[in-house]
Amino acid sequence: KQEVTQIPAALSVPEGENLVLNCSFTDSAIYNLQWFRQDPGKGLTSLLLIQSSQREQTSGRLNASLDKSSGRSTLYIAASQPGDSATYLCAVSPFQDRGSTLGRLYFGRGTQLTVWP
Amino acid sequence: IAGITQAPTSQILAAGRRMTLRCTQDMRHNAMYWYRQDLGLGLRLIHYSNTAGTTGKGEVPDGYSVSRANTDDFPLTLASAVPSQTSVYFCASSDPGRALNEQFFGPGTRLTVL
Repeated sequence: KQEVTQIPAALSVPEGENLVLNCSFTDSAIYNLQWFRQDPGKGLTSLLLIQSSQREQTSGRLNASLDKSSGRSTLYIAASQPGDSATYLCAVSPFQDRGSTLGRLYFGRGTQLTVWP
Repeated sequence: IAGITQAPTSQILAAGRRMTLRCTQDMRHNAMYWYRQDLGLGLRLIHYSNTAGTTGKGEVPDGYSVSRANTDDFPLTLASAVPSQTSVYFCASSDPGRALNEQFFGPGTRLTVL
């Protein structure tokens, strides 16, 4: 069974810092990896999706990398802002095989980020 | 409707009662999923459906049932609620036939079973 681990569990930083959130997974046979943001009491918002054949994806101040062979992904947040405060979740989708869950996700427990002014 | 809607937003339920959580998507995605989110445990898959007319069990299916009569709707039923089913429930959808297979989530239903 796929296991996803996120480190650190919580992070508190001053505004302006560059951050790295870590995600590791035990089975490298993944189809893709998604990073989500979750605000308190809210649903999940997709931030970035990296396909297994890709090494990284960028969106604005966010950059996600993927090293499938070592089972790791990092989410880099540049010039952090108080509005970035949220929980960040990493999730992997197993490689598709017929007769099984095609697109289900295995989630890490998240990194709770606080950016203070 | 844009994306995925869930109803109700929140509910307090007496133990032993039957409850159906509703989920509707308008993206014509083939696959739909139900997850529960519990503090310290993250999100876990309850049931899934790859296409209309088919369903399957996830990691924590006991006490829950689902149906998929059409592409858009994927209700989750608790036949006889127990306090351990107190959780936040998220419905999601994706289209595995597309290269990205990006998964989209609804806003969630917060359920308390007393």
